[in-house]
Amino acid sequence: QKEVEQNSGPLSVPEGAIASLNCTYSDRVSQSFFWYRQYSGKSPELIMSIYSNGDKEDGRFTAQLNKASQYVSLLIRDSQPSDSATYLCAGGYGNKLVFGAGTILRVKS
Amino acid sequence: ETGVTQTPRHLVMGMTNKKSLKCEQHLGHNAMYWYKQSAKKPLELMFVYNFKEQTENNSVPSRFSPECPNSSHLFLHLHTLQPEDSALYLCASSTKMSRYEQYFGPGTRLTVT
Repeated sequence: QKEVEQNSGPLSVPEGAIASLNCTYSDRVSQSFFWYRQYSGKSPELIMSIYSNGDKEDGRFTAQLNKASQYVSLLIRDSQPSDSATYLCAGGYGNKLVFGAGTILRVKS
Repeated sequence: ETGVTQTPRHLVMGMTNKKSLKCEQHLGHNAMYWYKQSAKKPLELMFVYNFKEQTENNSVPSRFSPECPNSSHLFLHLHTLQPEDSALYLCASSTKMSRYEQYFGPGTRLTVT
């Protein structure tokens, strides 16, 4: 069983809309979660981390963690074409990060 | 992007060749990682080094041999690879305290013919 799962997409949203990216995890993954963004042909970069139940906001980005449902999400408000990328959800587990396969986001102008 | 560098950026090698990938971090970190990224698959952790000591080997075949001479440099030595080893190999670094907040290099695109 996969430890971190994401819908591969692509998720298409119009410019200015809210993009909602979702991730579920198994019990084995710890309670620390991270969102990495990977542009095509580039390496992943950390954009959000969340350690406790609830919401964490940073600019246009909001990460949400629901431990009871084993669910992590990333909301991007006022989506821009420059947000088009693959978004990787990851959970911290012991000595390592466990990544999902990523969700492709396309923001159409 | 200059925080973690990797060379070469692209590599084509035959199944009988021996080559090495190099990673260098300029961030003062003390943990370094090798990942494999194949199309449509999750990033796959290969090795973890903390303060030059290997702390994780994620069941990687012996044809991949890591080396970490100091906290700033990490190598991946390759020999007798298979075509299915073709992938993007990413190096990352972090502090030990924030080991999940990792900074990635640009990667080496490896093709095994």
